[in-house]
Amino acid sequence: AQSVSQHNHHVILSEAASLELGCNYSYGGTVNLFWYVQYPGQHLQLLLKYFSGDPLVKGIKGFEAEFIKSKFSFNLRKPSVQWSDTAEYFCAVTNTNAGKSTFGDGTTLTVKP
Amino acid sequence: GAGVSQSPSNKVTEKGKDVELRCDPISGHTALYWYRQSLGQGLEFLIYFQGNSAPDKSGLPSDRFSAERTGGSVSTLTIQRTQQEDSAVYLCASSLAMTASGNTEAFFGQGTRLTVV
Repeated sequence: AQSVSQHNHHVILSEAASLELGCNYSYGGTVNLFWYVQYPGQHLQLLLKYFSGDPLVKGIKGFEAEFIKSKFSFNLRKPSVQWSDTAEYFCAVTNTNAGKSTFGDGTTLTVKP
Repeated sequence: GAGVSQSPSNKVTEKGKDVELRCDPISGHTALYWYRQSLGQGLEFLIYFQGNSAPDKSGLPSDRFSAERTGGSVSTLTIQRTQQEDSAVYLCASSLAMTASGNTEAFFGQGTRLTVV
């Protein structure tokens, strides 16, 4: 069965610090990869996605993620975080054969002003 | 509507009562998921519907939980004989699955906050 592992459960940063959240998955076939974000009091929404092509994908609010197939990874990055980035971040993988998405446990990011 | 709609948004129930939570997915989305999110916890997968295939019920925590999806659209999650540990936010998501474009982005509803007292 496919699984998604997010290495950091809770990350605390100061504003302007750089961010990298790890995500690894276990599935050898073709995948779609996603990062979702849940801001306090809001519903989950898409941050960025990878289907094919350039493995470096850019999303909203200056976020980007790089798909490294050999490492089964899809880490999320942002060069300079803002207080408004405080949220919970979820990595997700879709097995395109079965069409089912699997989510990681989430990483809570707290950015101190 | 344009998005995934869940009702009710909040539900308070007494321990031992049955509850039904409803999800209206985005029109045309063949895949529908139910997740549970407890305070400070991640997303707990409950059940997955895909078209006319048999649902993947592997995440249902006990036989008190069941879900249906009628006509490939609206879904109802039923919890029988509710317990306090069932208190959580229940999220529904829908997506296009296995499309030619490969776009399986999930769209989430606002959730139903269930409190069992």
